[in-house]
Amino acid sequence: SQTIHQWPATLVQPVGSPLSLECTVEGTSNPNLYWYRQAAGRGLQLLFYSVGIGQISSEVPQNLSASRPQDRQFILSSKKLLLSDSGFYLCAWSVKGTDDNSPLHFGNGTRLTVT
Amino acid sequence: TQLLEQSPQFLSIQEGENLTVYCNSSSVFSSLQWYRQEPGEGPVLLVTVVTGGEVKKLKRLTFQFGDARKDSSLHITAAQPGDTGLYLCARIIQGAQKLVFGQGTRLTINP
Repeated sequence: SQTIHQWPATLVQPVGSPLSLECTVEGTSNPNLYWYRQAAGRGLQLLFYSVGIGQISSEVPQNLSASRPQDRQFILSSKKLLLSDSGFYLCAWSVKGTDDNSPLHFGNGTRLTVT
Repeated sequence: TQLLEQSPQFLSIQEGENLTVYCNSSSVFSSLQWYRQEPGEGPVLLVTVVTGGEVKKLKRLTFQFGDARKDSSLHITAAQPGDTGLYLCARIIQGAQKLVFGQGTRLTINP
């Protein structure tokens, strides 16, 4: 069966420090991968998505970046964190489908607090 | 617009009551997904509706897709404390392989 791992679960970082969040998927190949951010238990904002290795689409211009160095690995990074980067970060994967109805499978998220 | 409007934003009711939450858009979409999220976890898919007018049932949850495929509703019968959570609707952006979410309805069922 497929599983998705995100780490760390919680993170407290000072303003101006770098960030690296990692997500890996097991049990599937060539998935679509996504990074979402959620503020205060509300809706999910799509940050980045990737349909293949090295292919990254950015949805929201900001000081975050994403990379996909391997097929099932997705990394969210920042060189210098801002207070506004605080939030709940969720990684997700989906199967590439021809009917566009493939559901997303989410990890358990990383709670990031920038102080 | 590709926005999804969910209402109400917050709902707190007593165990045993019925409720309906809504997901609306000004544009037609090919399909809609409903997710439930519990605190500290990622959302989990409940159902996908595809055909206009479609009704799907998941135990005490009934999902309906509007005839014009611009809106959807989720009705819960005899709500239980285990139904507490954030309910999110989401639509696929065709051809882009990405999912856009509404802001969610925070549901609390009081025992």
